[in-house]
Amino acid sequence: DSGVTQTPKHLITATGQRVTLRCSPRSGDLSVYWYQQSLDQGLQFLIQYYNGEERAKGNILERFSAQQFPDLHSELNLSSLELGDSALYFCASSVGFGGGQETQYFGPGTRLLVL
Amino acid sequence: TQLLEQSPQFLSIQEGENLTVYCNSSSVFSSLQWYRQEPGEGPVLLVTVVTGGEVKKLKRLTFQFGDARKDSSLHITAAQPGDTGLYLCAGGKSGYSTLTFGKGTMLLVSP
Repeated sequence: DSGVTQTPKHLITATGQRVTLRCSPRSGDLSVYWYQQSLDQGLQFLIQYYNGEERAKGNILERFSAQQFPDLHSELNLSSLELGDSALYFCASSVGFGGGQETQYFGPGTRLLVL
Repeated sequence: TQLLEQSPQFLSIQEGENLTVYCNSSSVFSSLQWYRQEPGEGPVLLVTVVTGGEVKKLKRLTFQFGDARKDSSLHITAAQPGDTGLYLCAGGKSGYSTLTFGKGTMLLVSP
């Protein structure tokens, strides 16, 4: 158990809909990262928040948005869903700003299926 | 463009065999991390290497960072079924807070 929790574990929805994925980081961790994992693209970084502020942006679509709340939990909002958005979405957390020498602790993921 | 190329993509071996998986890039990284992801779970960090030529051992796993810090390898001795999983390498660069992940090597160790 990494200490990172994600809800829901599974989500099935229809094209055009909007969903919200939730993440609670490990106690004491200030950074939250969101990733999308698919068979063809692998693990793709979407966005990072540090202590409530956006710190880095990756390959995140304009239809997707995220935020980190004062209690440090984070939400990833996916709207106007398309079939190609079906994937595993992971949240990870780390103690500090991030970088290659920090450990990222991953949650168990949310499996999204868009029909 | 995939900055980190992992090979092979898939490896199926028998218990007791040795294996090596590779992580290559044309870019220089300040650090290289290896993660293992088991089915239905998130990746878990195995090791971080930061110095060119560095070798780290974790029981039966040996990790090496290339001298030029562009590549890395993971060698497993006497593989066991519990080693089954997706092995991901991730590169970090100075001044950046995020990691670039390879697509991974899926390892299946049969009894």
